[in-house]
Amino acid sequence: GQQLNQSPQSMFIQEGEDVSMNCTSSSIFNTWLWYKQDPGEGPVLLIALYKAGELTSNGRLTAQFGITRKDSFLNISASIPSDVGIYFCAGLVGNQFYFGTGTSLTVIP
Amino acid sequence: SAVISQKPSRDICQRGTSLTIQCQVDSQVTMMFWYRQQPGQSLTLIATANQGSEATYESGFVIDKFPISRPNLTFSTLTVSNMSPEDSSIYLCSVVTGTLYGYTFGSGTRLTVV
Repeated sequence: GQQLNQSPQSMFIQEGEDVSMNCTSSSIFNTWLWYKQDPGEGPVLLIALYKAGELTSNGRLTAQFGITRKDSFLNISASIPSDVGIYFCAGLVGNQFYFGTGTSLTVIP
Repeated sequence: SAVISQKPSRDICQRGTSLTIQCQVDSQVTMMFWYRQQPGQSLTLIATANQGSEATYESGFVIDKFPISRPNLTFSTLTVSNMSPEDSSIYLCSVVTGTLYGYTFGSGTRLTVV
């Protein structure tokens, strides 16, 4: 299957700091999605990106669909304790999703 | 986006037994998928549940081990058969509704095989 490399693998930040994570692939995707997963829960969709270069915000979250269609990044501004969780990128080609390896975020109050 | 009810939410099962997981959606959906998330890992697609026909399985997953039903456009089941401890994972159903933000996951079934 397609390989999505997500970095960093984990982050420990102070409350109020900004966060940046990215997802890269050797393959081209038609859609990029960013999910957050809390312990014991299924992933929840944060942002969906549908075309190259697209920049989309959802509150304190901003994500971009890379121009090459092979990468995407997610920024979280002014982090708060409830931002803790695992963030997954997902790339869509055809009707199939491929998921990144995840970024574990810890916010220190 | 669609609302998904997945159950059971968790179960502890004896090896050699089978467990059927149900996924109910509050609206008719085009695509339904089943994923596995092993401890500390990302999500791996098991199969696409096709309404009215056999599921389409990904490499490494077979129908005898993971039989899937999809009798209509709002419901699907995944059975984990002849379980072993290696099957301990979170199993998630996912749907695509075709709307702008129509990529949704259920809350998952946390399976522990002892």
